[in-house]
Amino acid sequence: DGGITQSPKYLFRKEGQNVTLSCEQNLNHDAMYWYRQDPGQGLRLIYYSQIVNDFQKGDIAEGYSVSREKKESFPLTVTSAQKNPTAFYLCASSQQGAGDTEAFFGQGTRLTVV
Amino acid sequence: GQSLEQPSEVTAVEGAIVQINCTYQTSGFYGLSWYQQHDGGAPTFLSYNALDGLEETGRFSSFLSRSDSYGYLLLQELQMKDSASYFCAVRDTGGFKTIFGAGTRLFVKA
Repeated sequence: DGGITQSPKYLFRKEGQNVTLSCEQNLNHDAMYWYRQDPGQGLRLIYYSQIVNDFQKGDIAEGYSVSREKKESFPLTVTSAQKNPTAFYLCASSQQGAGDTEAFFGQGTRLTVV
Repeated sequence: GQSLEQPSEVTAVEGAIVQINCTYQTSGFYGLSWYQQHDGGAPTFLSYNALDGLEETGRFSSFLSRSDSYGYLLLQELQMKDSASYFCAVRDTGGFKTIFGAGTRLFVKA
C-alpha cells in the first residue's frame, strides 16, 4: 500500500538535545513538507522540498534542519536552538503537477521535551 | 504576505447544515483545498476548487469565488463523526508550497 510513514509516533527529548524525526513516502511524490501543530492551532510550515537535494524554509524554520538526499525521505532534525519544541509534527507529500491537488499526511510525531 | 482566515469554532446539531468560511490573501493562487482532522490524527483531504463555483462530494460541498478571495465548505446532514477541525489551504504558485489556515473546530451536538 502506498502511503507516508512517520516515526516514531511519540518522542521525548531532554533539553539541549538534537532529535531527528523520520518521514518516508512510497507515493513517488516530488514535494514533501514538514508542519508543526500546537494544541488547538493550525499547521505552520517549517520546511518544504520540491525536489531531491533542494529544500526551502517555511514560516518557522528557525531551530530546525532538513535534508532531501532521496526522493522517498525527508527527515527533520529539531535542534537545541529550537526553544519550544514540544508540539505535534506532521509530514506531508504531494505531486506538483497542475492537476495534483491533494497532500497526503503521515500520522504525526508527538515530541515532548522533558 | 500570505494569510488565510477562518472562524475558530462552529457548533451545530446533528442533521443540520453548516458552512465554514475561508478568506485568503496570497501572492499567487493555485486553488483552495479543504482538510479534515480528528483529534490526534492526521489531516485528510476533502475537496479542492481551482475555478469559481461549487464542487459537490457526497454530503460535503466546497465553493470558491476567486474575485472575492473567498471560499467555503458546506457540510450537510451533519453526523456526530463530523466533529473535527477543518482547515482551508492554498497552494502558492510562487513558492509551490501549501499554506494552511488556523482551522475551524466543528462541534456537532445531538
